[in-house]
Amino acid sequence: KAGVTQTPRYLIKTRGQQVTLSCSPISGHRSVSWYQQTPGQGLQFLFEYFSETQRNKGNFPGRFSGRQFSNSRSEMNVSTLELGDSALYLCASSLVGADRGEKLFFGSGTQLSVL
Amino acid sequence: GESVGLHLPTLSVQEGDNSIINCAYSNSASDYFIWYKQESGKGPQFIIDIRSNMDKRQGQRVTVLLNKTVKHLSLQIAATQPGDSAVYFCATPKEGAQKLVFGQGTRLTINP
Repeated sequence: KAGVTQTPRYLIKTRGQQVTLSCSPISGHRSVSWYQQTPGQGLQFLFEYFSETQRNKGNFPGRFSGRQFSNSRSEMNVSTLELGDSALYLCASSLVGADRGEKLFFGSGTQLSVL
Repeated sequence: GESVGLHLPTLSVQEGDNSIINCAYSNSASDYFIWYKQESGKGPQFIIDIRSNMDKRQGQRVTVLLNKTVKHLSLQIAATQPGDSAVYFCATPKEGAQKLVFGQGTRLTINP
């Protein structure tokens, strides 16, 4: 069974640009969540999607957005990039979500560097 | 709200020794806990989980202990190997929020 797949693996952008990251969950998993990981802040929740609906959003500015498609694949977008957006962006999937006492399965992440 | 904290940011042990990584949580209603291992350049990998109706759970070379009285859990790794070098996170779901709350992580270093 394939794991969570994130593309691209690395990205280098400049300030002001926008970026789209992609995540393919484990087959059969309908919940996809995104986390930002930085050395200073650790793992911070961005948002979670289930059946194409955003169920919760973390404390991030509106420049961070996401969506989920009917096949459960998800994308997140960051517009007007800032230097502080440099981070590892992790996608995680589960059958129905962390609230149901499920463990999340993580991808390897997309390492975003903003110059 | 929920918060999860690890006691030590770094831990160094000799190869072959046992490692103990600790974690404290704030919400006494938390009923599910997960330990993740994150190696350099990879995402967090599930190690073991435990529900609040248990005090102890064992896996392959790993044991998680849960003390609900003092809201503390620990991950014990037996006969630590070089491949155990990683950052270890404890996590618990935040009720109603569809997310996991993570501790800051403990970096485990294995000395030969």
